[in-house]
Amino acid sequence: EPEVTQTPSHQVTQMGQEVILRCVPISNHLYFYWYRQILGQKVEFLVSFYNNEISEKSEIFDDQFSVERPDGSNFTLKIRSTKLEDSAMYFCASTRGGSSYEQYFGPGTRLTVT
Amino acid sequence: DAKTTQPTSMDCAEGRAANLPCNHSTISGNEYVYWYRQIHSQGPQYIIHGLKNNETNEMASLIITEDRKSSTLILPHATLRDTAVYYCIVRVYTGANSKLTFGKGITLSVRP
Repeated sequence: EPEVTQTPSHQVTQMGQEVILRCVPISNHLYFYWYRQILGQKVEFLVSFYNNEISEKSEIFDDQFSVERPDGSNFTLKIRSTKLEDSAMYFCASTRGGSSYEQYFGPGTRLTVT
Repeated sequence: DAKTTQPTSMDCAEGRAANLPCNHSTISGNEYVYWYRQIHSQGPQYIIHGLKNNETNEMASLIITEDRKSSTLILPHATLRDTAVYYCIVRVYTGANSKLTFGKGITLSVRP
């Protein structure tokens, strides 16, 4: 069964450094999302992406964040200058669209900012 | 999106049915009820969704009351692997761009 994959599974970085989290959505899916979950808290929406542009973003998704689909398979989340409070699990999700709106999530990347 | 209310936690015995309730009294006519679950910090997993009719798939059944103000997710034969946080989400079905808004969910513990 196709699945969303994410790399790396765990990323440790120093405050102020740039990180790129990578996702490979399910191949025939057209809509892509990033969510994050700070330890012990709710899953929070960050951004949705369709047709090579951002469809919606939350207040969390400020100028330090960006997303890109550099080729036909990868979907990336970049944090330009990480802060301690960016430490969280980051989940990528995708959905096919059309008549199917279920979102399928990847296993997540645990980002630790020191 | 309408707000949902779920109990904080519940448990059930392995092999028995787990009935997870959700209240969504402010649901509007174009909002669907979705259920996802999250097993120990893994990515959330889609379970089922419905508008007003009861739905069943290989994972679960979804029972929505006639007034659509509440619903119940039924896991017919719970196993230890069903121990997870279950999220009831009400969401407009306007398009795939629609984000999911997660609450705290209900923690289901399946005991041997």
